[in-house]
Amino acid sequence: AQRVTQPEKLLSVFKGAPVELKCNYSYSGSPELFWYVQYSRQRLQLLLRHISRESIKGFTADLNKGETSFHLKKPFAQEEDSAMYYCAPAGFQKLVFGTGTRLLVSP
Amino acid sequence: AAGVIQSPRHLIKEKRETATLKCYPIPRHDTVYWYQQGPGQDPQFLISFYEKMQSDKGSIPDRFSAQQFSDYHSELNMSSLELGDSALYFCASSSGTGTSTDTQYFGPGTRLTVL
Repeated sequence: AQRVTQPEKLLSVFKGAPVELKCNYSYSGSPELFWYVQYSRQRLQLLLRHISRESIKGFTADLNKGETSFHLKKPFAQEEDSAMYYCAPAGFQKLVFGTGTRLLVSP
Repeated sequence: AAGVIQSPRHLIKEKRETATLKCYPIPRHDTVYWYQQGPGQDPQFLISFYEKMQSDKGSIPDRFSAQQFSDYHSELNMSSLELGDSALYFCASSSGTGTSTDTQYFGPGTRLTVL
């Protein structure tokens, strides 16, 4: 069965602190992996995807196939990073969303 | 830039009624996806269309049906509504190969409340 686990429902940090949002997946085959973000009152939007190996807004995510993890990291959190973050592997089109982690960055 | 448009933004219905949700993809996007997000739940995939044909199906109840039209917009039809159908319904669109490598762009969602 396809399953995504984001163990933290809420992650609260101070501005400037490092952030790691955890994601573990159980998925047959070799899925594409995405992180989507939803800022307050805005639509879901793509943050990054593992295949592009890029850093977006200071965030990076490394795919660890051995641990089946795709943790999202940022060395110095900013207040504008406060949002809901969803890890989502995709297998033939459909995204399988995790339960999401709400990140709160306090000044 | 034009984004995915969903209509209506909010909809209130009573049990056993029907509802139609509409999704207008980004111009030149040929794939549309529907997701349902219940209160406090993660988004769940319902169904997708590529080039007007159903391409994948998820946990969509038999009471629901959907289609993609010649102009690529899509409609989700929901009949015999139940209280548990109350949710935020997202539509997303993508262009390209119609595979999982396509980035999906989401609409703002339609919030359906069933009383």
